[in-house]
Amino acid sequence: AQSVAQPEDQVNVAEGNPLTVKCTYSVSGNPYLFWYVQYPNRGLQFLLKYITGDNLVKGSYGFEAEFNKSQTSFHLKKPSALVSDSALYFCAVRDRGQAGTALIFGKGTTLSVSS
Amino acid sequence: DAMVIQNPRYQVTQFGKPVTLSCSQTLNHNVMYWYQQKSSQAPKLLFHYYDKDFNNEADTPDNFQSRRPNTSFCFLDIRSPGLGDAAMYLCATSYRSGARDEQFFGPGTRLTVL
Repeated sequence: AQSVAQPEDQVNVAEGNPLTVKCTYSVSGNPYLFWYVQYPNRGLQFLLKYITGDNLVKGSYGFEAEFNKSQTSFHLKKPSALVSDSALYFCAVRDRGQAGTALIFGKGTTLSVSS
Repeated sequence: DAMVIQNPRYQVTQFGKPVTLSCSQTLNHNVMYWYQQKSSQAPKLLFHYYDKDFNNEADTPDNFQSRRPNTSFCFLDIRSPGLGDAAMYLCATSYRSGARDEQFFGPGTRLTVL
């Protein structure tokens, strides 16, 4: 079965410092991996995805994520955090070898950036 | 701007009183999805439409139904809401149903059941 783990419920970082939000996954085949961000009382916004190719994926708002097949991880990173980055972040996975369209989400990580 | 719109943003209903949530999209996407997101939890897919083809997730309760009268609109009907159905309901779209396609989400409708 497919699953996604976000081991941290909350990540706290000071503005201007680098941030990392962790994600590990489990799929039977090769994954498609996604990061979404959710602001309070809003829907999810797509940040970036890994399909194939370069393991470092660049996305919106200066975010990037690194796919590591051996560690089955897809950590979200940003070199310099902004207060406006404070939000709930979801990692999601799909097994490219399986039919169906359900995104399997992690439980989410709340990012809090202090000024 | 092309977008996914959900109405209403907040819905209050009474226990057992049917309720309908609405989603529309200007993206001309083939696929529309409904997710349920309970407080502090990840979104969970209820069902989706690929064009007119309806696909129900195995564990979606029978109390939840959906209609897609045309490409632009999709409705979520809750026949007899229970207290446990209080949640944020998210509509999403994608151009195709392929696993590589990202989904575009609406702002959600927060349902309260009294």
